[in-house]
Amino acid sequence: GAVVSQHPSRVICKSGTSVKIECRSLDFQATTMFWYRQFPKQSLMLMATSNEGSKATYEQGVEKDKFLINHASLTLSTLTVTSAHPEDSSFYICSAGGDRGDGYTFGSGTRLTVV
Amino acid sequence: KQEVTQIPAALSVPEGENLVLNCSFTDSAIYNLQWFRQDPGKGLTSLLLIQSSQREQTSGRLNASLDKSSGRSTLYIAASQPGDSATYLCAVKMTNAGKSTFGDGTTLTVKP
Repeated sequence: GAVVSQHPSRVICKSGTSVKIECRSLDFQATTMFWYRQFPKQSLMLMATSNEGSKATYEQGVEKDKFLINHASLTLSTLTVTSAHPEDSSFYICSAGGDRGDGYTFGSGTRLTVV
Repeated sequence: KQEVTQIPAALSVPEGENLVLNCSFTDSAIYNLQWFRQDPGKGLTSLLLIQSSQREQTSGRLNASLDKSSGRSTLYIAASQPGDSATYLCAVKMTNAGKSTFGDGTTLTVKP
């Protein structure tokens, strides 16, 4: 089946620094990528949707200048958390879909802790 | 707007019991429904995916049913084990290319 590789799985960074999370589709071309986040004891909420070669669409309340999404190729999408703050500490996960027609596959997630 | 609710929020059972987790959704015109497992501090593990045309899926001790007309799905776990302890999430999609809407999850504890 389709595989999405997400890295890193866990990252701790200092306040004010930026962190990049990568999602790669290993055996298919991901034309669309969904990015979700999960705050402690809450459910996963959609942050943004990106299509290869175009700008991402952000959900209401998500700062596009803080959460930079790049989907420049059909096998790689990145989420960069810029100037991270402790309140950005969360679980981030991607979901990719594309040319296989068998739905969307989730990455394994990234747990970000900002100290 | 699709809303997904999971009941109960938490469940504690002794080892060996059979149990049922519930998921309900407000818009019955779903494309598919998926059950996931999430261990503390870890990512998602897909358990079962039910397409809108299906009524149930089975994998080992797990059985998931889908009743679109009533907007419900259940995850049945047979002969529960301590290793089943985790948070179980259900998610629905309205289209193949659309986003997933998640419930808040049910945190299961199976006591030895």
